[in-house]
Amino acid sequence: GAGVSQSPSNKVTEKGKDVELRCDPISGHTALYWYRQSLGQGLEFLIYFQGNSAPDKSGLPSDRFSAERTGGSVSTLTIQRTQQEDSAVYLCASSIRDTYNEQFFGPGTRLTVL
Amino acid sequence: QQQVKQSPQSLIVQKGGISIINCAYENTAFDYFPWYQQFPGKGPALLIAIRPDVSEKKEGRFTISFNKSAKQFSLHIMDSQPGDSATYFCAASNSGGSNYKLTFGKGTLLTVNP
Repeated sequence: GAGVSQSPSNKVTEKGKDVELRCDPISGHTALYWYRQSLGQGLEFLIYFQGNSAPDKSGLPSDRFSAERTGGSVSTLTIQRTQQEDSAVYLCASSIRDTYNEQFFGPGTRLTVL
Repeated sequence: QQQVKQSPQSLIVQKGGISIINCAYENTAFDYFPWYQQFPGKGPALLIAIRPDVSEKKEGRFTISFNKSAKQFSLHIMDSQPGDSATYFCAASNSGGSNYKLTFGKGTLLTVNP
């Protein structure tokens, strides 16, 4: 079946612009995660959605970052007033919230802020 | 505070050799320890995972060894092949936590020479 998809695959923007990154999770997966992968920093948790519960935003680095998940499926990560330090690969993962919670990752969106 | 420490940062192995990557964690609440494999331009893919009720798990050429008292776990790749060349990430999560987020090590770039 289809895996997690993300769009765009690459995004180049100018400092100060807003960007929206999209994630389509695997059908039936109730949990959705956003992670950021920066050079030399590994993967950092950003935000978590589970069903209709309030999202866990504890990993968002600043109030310029926000995310929503509509209808328990597609999610959009928005970065306002982008800064050069926002340049990274943004990864989305989804899972069935069971005991093992195996997370399936999408290919990521590479964001470059000039 | 880096909760999962991974070493080495990079590793070069000859074809047919054994690749060993080590991770150490601090949070004793962690109870799920997956390893992810990532090829350039792709998202991480789950390779193998272990829970602390066992000390070792083997799947094909890949083995996780787990030492609960030392808070350490390692990935062994037997008969390493050039196709195994990738970045490997260890991770940990707490299934009793509120979000099952994965905390990642910083990754190991494995190169297997033919």
